[in-house]
Amino acid sequence: AQKVTQAQTEISVVEKEDVTLDCVYETRDTTYYLFWYKQPPSGELVFLIRRNSFDEQNEISGRYSWNFQKSTSSFNFTITASQVVDSAVYFCALSGYNQGGKLIFGQGTELSVKP
Amino acid sequence: GAVVSQHPSWVICKSGTSVKIECRSLDFQATTMFWYRQFPKQSLMLMATSNEGSKATYEQGVEKDKFLINHASLTLSTLTVTSAHPEDSSFYICSAHLRRGGYEQYFGPGTRLTVT
Repeated sequence: AQKVTQAQTEISVVEKEDVTLDCVYETRDTTYYLFWYKQPPSGELVFLIRRNSFDEQNEISGRYSWNFQKSTSSFNFTITASQVVDSAVYFCALSGYNQGGKLIFGQGTELSVKP
Repeated sequence: GAVVSQHPSWVICKSGTSVKIECRSLDFQATTMFWYRQFPKQSLMLMATSNEGSKATYEQGVEKDKFLINHASLTLSTLTVTSAHPEDSSFYICSAHLRRGGYEQYFGPGTRLTVT
C-alpha cells in the first residue's frame, strides 16, 4: 500500500524565518515519483517539484529546496527566508510507476507566515 | 505550460438535483484524467480515474452511480453528481495526465459545489 504522512498539521513562523515541511512516504514500488504542491486560499494547486525515485539529488529553486532521502523514505521541503506570500497549505504526494498516474496525497501542512 | 480548465468554478444547487462539472485539457491530449474531492481542511482524495473511451475506475467507497464520469474525448472529462445532497458539498478538482513521453500531471482550478 502507498501512504504519505505529513506529521505537521500547522506551522506558524515569522517572516524571514526558515521553515521545513516534513514528508514521509511508504511504497512497495521500486520506481515512483514524489511531488510537492502548494494550495493557496484560492484552492488551485500549484506544482512545485517532481522527483523520481532514482534521482536522490537535492534540489534548490530560489528560496525553495528539497531533501530526498530514500534511506529514511523522506522528501522534506525547506523554505528559506519565508515570506507572507508563502502562506498556504502544502501537500506532499506520491505516485508509483505502475499506478497509472494516481497521486496519493499527504494530509497537508498549513503554513502561516506572519509579518 | 499545459492548461487544464474546469467549469463551473463554483455552483450552488438544491438537494436532489444533478450537477455536471467539466474538465478540459486546453492545449494537450490527456491519456487519463483524474477526479479528486477535497473537504474543508482536508487533503485531496482520489475519486476515480477516467480514460478516454472506456469506463471510469472508481476508488473504494465512491459510489459510481452517484458520481457519473464520462470521458468522451482526449480533452474532455465530465463528472456528474446525481441527486446531490448537502454532504456532497465539497471542492472537486480534476487533473489531466499528459499524453507524451515522460510523466506530467496538470490540475484544474477546482469547482466548489454547495448543495443546499
